[in-house]
Amino acid sequence: DIQMTQSPSTLSASVGDRVTITCRASQNINSWLAWYQHKPGKVPKLLIFKASSLENGVPSRFSGSGSGTEFTLTISSLQPDDFATYFCQQYDSHSPTFGQGTKVEIK
Amino acid sequence: QVQLVQSGGEVKKPGASVKVSCKASGYTFNSYGISWVRQAPGQGLEWMGWVSANNGHTNLAQNFQGRVAMTTDTSTNTVYMELRGLRSDDTAVYYCARLRLRWNYGWTADSSDVWGQGAMVAVSS
Repeated sequence: DIQMTQSPSTLSASVGDRVTITCRASQNINSWLAWYQHKPGKVPKLLIFKASSLENGVPSRFSGSGSGTEFTLTISSLQPDDFATYFCQQYDSHSPTFGQGTKVEIK
Repeated sequence: QVQLVQSGGEVKKPGASVKVSCKASGYTFNSYGISWVRQAPGQGLEWMGWVSANNGHTNLAQNFQGRVAMTTDTSTNTVYMELRGLRSDDTAVYYCARLRLRWNYGWTADSSDVWGQGAMVAVSS
């Protein structure tokens, strides 16, 4: 299976901060990567697909970039609603895999 | 609107089986797949596999092969996930999600864009 490694595991930030989360794949996954936001007691929400395509209805402060093995999710100006855990997921292989998650906490 | 509604939580004993349902509405059922993802307490998301709503073809994660079955009922737009031989480490919230498909020498999984509310399965003696 392709291993996905996210960093950092936890991130403390303030409202208005620019936040960047990194996801590395153990092999080339082209641009077949999604980012999800997950809050406790809620269902995961698709933010970004195909590495950089913004899902309908997702605020434009979220953006994704990268290809091959290294990817980033950026929140340009962190809002109170953005404190959550973020997961990357590769779907290049026939067995998609998730990163371990990055928890964005209030500083 | 597009919606996936899952069955309720269950408590099972080790060795038993559990069958979770996922009823889809608001879209053309056979144009997508359904993926299953679980999250154990304090852990991350784990991909279990997916099933084609069009033809019932499944693609299961290696960790679950031989222990999980995913089936569809196109008459009710419902998908089922059955996990057998339950262990304590199967305790988790089980999510279904609408799976976009892409063509890559056959239909293959893309991203999951609409999720069910989750079903808690607790395994305890």
